[in-house]
Amino acid sequence: KNEVEQSPQNLTAQEGEFITINCSYSVGISALHWLQQHPGGGIVSLFMLSSGKKKHGRLIATINIQEKHSSLHITASHPRDSAVYICAVRKETSGSRLTFGEGTQLTVNP
Amino acid sequence: DAGITQSPRHKVTETGTPVTLRCHQTENHRYMYWYRQDPGHGLRLIHYSYGVKDTDKGEVSDGYSVSRSKTEDFLLTLESATSSQTSVYFCAISDGHYTEAFFGQGTRLTVV
Repeated sequence: KNEVEQSPQNLTAQEGEFITINCSYSVGISALHWLQQHPGGGIVSLFMLSSGKKKHGRLIATINIQEKHSSLHITASHPRDSAVYICAVRKETSGSRLTFGEGTQLTVNP
Repeated sequence: DAGITQSPRHKVTETGTPVTLRCHQTENHRYMYWYRQDPGHGLRLIHYSYGVKDTDKGEVSDGYSVSRSKTEDFLLTLESATSSQTSVYFCAISDGHYTEAFFGQGTRLTVV
């Protein structure tokens, strides 16, 4: 079983919908990252969080350390949000290294 | 955007040939990483560096070696490329345990 699990693996939405992507992990962590990868493109860091909630524009990330769970929300989704969203954790025992989920492919249709 | 550049961006090579990928940063970050990305596996760590001449293995290091002779450059070498090393390779940098990671644009390597 992977230490970092994302759900769903694939998600299709209509423009304007509220989207939630989930990440569960089974290890102690010092931080959790949400990353975005567009087709054929590089990987961009969206959030790094260790507690609570962060917001940037239409994106909101939350984390519950006790439940070992994080969510990434996208409000008023747009076709340009179509990308792979990747959850990664920095384990307490791994220093600066990251352990990644397999990603969630999001497609937002106009 | 963080200053991190990978070269080449695309490469096709033959089985058995040596290949070197370069990661160059202008951020003076201490940590540098090489990952490979394959369908069904997500990103997996090949090797990483925590300073000049200080490197360590990741979870999929067999068949790969690295070198870091300067803060800004981290080289990944496939001594004798195999078809199983066909992948997209990403370099990343970070400045510490509690800081963001920044990724390069990736190198698509095909071994034929």
